[in-house]
Formats: sequence, C-alpha cells, structure tokens
Amino acid sequence: AQKVTQAQTEISVVEKEDVTLDCVYETRDTTYYLFWYKQPPSGELVFLIRRNSFDEQNEISGRYSWNFQKSTSSFNFTITASQVVDSAVYFCALSESGTYKYIFGTGTRLKVLA
Amino acid sequence: ETGVTQSPTHLIKTRGQQVTLRCSSQSGHNTVSWYQQALGQGPQFIFQYYREEENGRGNFPPRFSGLQFPNYSSELNVNALELDDSALYLCASSYHPKQPQHFGDGTRLSIL
Repeated sequence: AQKVTQAQTEISVVEKEDVTLDCVYETRDTTYYLFWYKQPPSGELVFLIRRNSFDEQNEISGRYSWNFQKSTSSFNFTITASQVVDSAVYFCALSESGTYKYIFGTGTRLKVLA
Repeated sequence: ETGVTQSPTHLIKTRGQQVTLRCSSQSGHNTVSWYQQALGQGPQFIFQYYREEENGRGNFPPRFSGLQFPNYSSELNVNALELDDSALYLCASSYHPKQPQHFGDGTRLSIL
C-alpha cells in the first residue's frame, strides 16, 4: 500500500532560522515519483519539486534543498534562512508508476515569525 | 501563459442538491485531475481525465462524476450532496498524465 507521512503538524520558527520538513513514504513499487507542494492561504498548490526513485541526488534551489534517501524512505525539505513569505502548508506527495494519482501527506503548517 | 483557473471560488449548497464545478486547464495541457481536500487534510484524488477519457479514479462513489471537453477544460459534478462533501475541490492540469500537475486555487464548497 502507498502512504505518505508528514509527522510534523505545525512548526514555528523565527525569521532567518533554517527549518526542515520531514516526509516518509511507503510504496512497494520500485519506480515512483515524489513531490513537494506549497499551499499558501490562497489555497492553490504550488509545485516545488519532483524527484524520481532512481535519482537520489540532493537538490538545491536557492534557499530550498531536498534530501532524498531511499534507505530510510524519506524525502525531506529544508528551507535555509526562512522568511515570513515561506509561511504556508507544505505537502509531500507520492505517485507510483502506472498510476497517475498523487498520494498526499497531511501537510506541515510552517509559521515564520518576524 | 495562463494558469489553471477554477470557478466558482466559493459555493454554498444544501444536502441533496447537485453541484457542477469548472476548471480551465493551463495552456497546452491535455490532462486534468480533480482532488478533494477536507479541512486540515491533504488532497484526495477523485479522478483524472486524459484527452476526454477517464484515466483513473480514486475511492469516491459514483455520484462524483466528471467530463473533459475538446478544449481540455473540465467539470466535476456531484449529485445528492452530503455534509461530508464540504471541502476545497482542486483541479490540476499537466502536459501528460506522467508530468507534474499544476493546481488551481480551488473551489470551496460548503454544504448546509
């Protein structure tokens, strides 16, 4: 069965702190995709990254970085030097090969305080 | 490039009524997926349409139905509304079923 777990319900940090959002997934498939989306108060889901199961290279994009570890079935997301505009709910999602539906976690609400 | 647009933004219905939600895909996208997001939860997959055909369905009853039109816009229809149908309904489009999905702002449906 496929499942995505985001154990952190809510995190509060002070501006300029680094913060890591955890994501643990379960799948029996060897080929799958992992995603992170950001959901600001407006409601839309903003695509941040997609990673396929064969690419374990970490990725950095500006202040964002992602650490994919198949050995622990984790795909963690770090924001460096957080800003108030980073405040949102962040979702991790899984998509198995041959199926096109995304399985989302329950999300982590990040509050960045000025 | 026009993003995914959904209408209406908000909607209030009563139990037993029927509702139609609409979605315009991002330019060039031929795949549309619909998700239901209850308060405090992650989105749940309802179904996907690819080139006007249903391409997959989640665990939702038949009273949730959809359409995709030749211009790749889409509708989600829900019959016999129940209180638990109150949620944010998100539409997502992509170039292909296997490409990343881009989401609209959603329609917030409230059932009284």
